[in-house]
Amino acid sequence: DAKTTQPTSMDCAEGRAANLPCNHSTISGNEYVYWYRQIHSQGPQYIIHGLKNNETNEMASLIITEDRKSSTLILPHATLRDTAVYYCIVRRHNAGKSTFGDGTTLTVKP
Amino acid sequence: KAGVTQTPRYLIKTRGQQVTLSCSPISGHRSVSWYQQTPGQGLQFLFEYFSETQRNKGNFPGRFSGRQFSNSRSEMNVSTLELGDSALYLCASSLARQELNEKLFFGSGTQLSVL
Repeated sequence: DAKTTQPTSMDCAEGRAANLPCNHSTISGNEYVYWYRQIHSQGPQYIIHGLKNNETNEMASLIITEDRKSSTLILPHATLRDTAVYYCIVRRHNAGKSTFGDGTTLTVKP
Repeated sequence: KAGVTQTPRYLIKTRGQQVTLSCSPISGHRSVSWYQQTPGQGLQFLFEYFSETQRNKGNFPGRFSGRQFSNSRSEMNVSTLELGDSALYLCASSLARQELNEKLFFGSGTQLSVL
């Protein structure tokens, strides 16, 4: 699986959009981009995934660059409950294994 | 639908002992994978089971083993515990269908402390 690079930490004001970047320059054509988040002492929670098109669901939006070498997770209106560690991973379909990096610690401030 | 259930939630053992952790996946999910999370190493993949067979394995010593039963429930076992085995052990399940992308659904984990 391709390696990802994320900033160690980010801050965001409550109510503003949180934009979390992820670099995956060695991504292969058959690898998907997945985002998970982990709130302290809980298991990671799936947020969104995509292959090449931008995706949106009730939690977030995922913007993938045309060359697929990077992506951005957007939380449109961050709340205090969005404070968590956000992981960007890339994996092949049906790979069975996900490689988690260190993630980005997002702190939403009032 | 019930989520992924891991038992026990907390466990304290001493060096040299062995431990068995249990994971019940979401109903209908056929793949169960295990991860170890420590402050120093982050989330690390242990192994994945599908239809009672180990399909993928991470870089952990043979003291770490697992199995999956016909109802997809899974157990992992750690023998001859070491202090460094203290960690949060997370189980994740997924549908693992050929045509679908695989969202992982994680349990809350078992916090193991080795004294």
